[in-house]
Amino acid sequence: DTGVSQDPRHKITKRGQNVTFRCDPISEHNRLYWYRQTLGQGPEFLTYFQNEAQLEKSRLLSDRFSAERPKGSFSTLEIQRTEQGDSAMYLCASSYPGPGRSRGNTDTQYFGPGTRLTVL
Amino acid sequence: RKEVEQDPGPFNVPEGATVAFNCTYSNSASQSFFWYRQDCRKEPKLLMSVYSSGNEDGRFTAQLNRASQYISLLIRDSKLSDSATYLCVVYNNAGNMLTFGGGTRLMVKP
Repeated sequence: DTGVSQDPRHKITKRGQNVTFRCDPISEHNRLYWYRQTLGQGPEFLTYFQNEAQLEKSRLLSDRFSAERPKGSFSTLEIQRTEQGDSAMYLCASSYPGPGRSRGNTDTQYFGPGTRLTVL
Repeated sequence: RKEVEQDPGPFNVPEGATVAFNCTYSNSASQSFFWYRQDCRKEPKLLMSVYSSGNEDGRFTAQLNRASQYISLLIRDSKLSDSATYLCVVYNNAGNMLTFGGGTRLMVKP
């Protein structure tokens, strides 16, 4: 399978613990995005990397959240001192703004299966 | 007010019916528009892009009205497999991010 992969698929943790999620984008994609989705809502943008540079961060990304993409390939999202309100699906997406992309100025974002976080 | 608004539904329709979803967006600087489909407990997947001239892909037709800032999706001859949540999505170059509506849930019944 050459799509976006995420690990783990499910994570249950106790309030106050730290958690880290990993995303492996499609191999030739240089853009990587993190989103959060809660039940009954659409995904909300958290942050965006182009190669290893983190270019955008949502105000949703509090100081307990940190994301890295050290070599411009896989990315990690860490949540420190988890709270019950952090329970959500964390989605990663990747894209490549190159030839063959969808018409217009936007490269198509392909989503991974997500990591479902439950904070007890 | 949310940046992208959709009727959450659910829309319960019989097989073979035609169903239409609308979506409104508030940022007039938005540049690209999409419909994504999301099955229960799965990731969103691109269904189709939406162009000002309107576009059709089989049983699916999408239209954009920039003046009124709304986007529509029409599904003809509904199939059981069309049951899913349909997410209206807006892209703004300034932030290079997708902004999603809350989704409209469709249930097609036999």
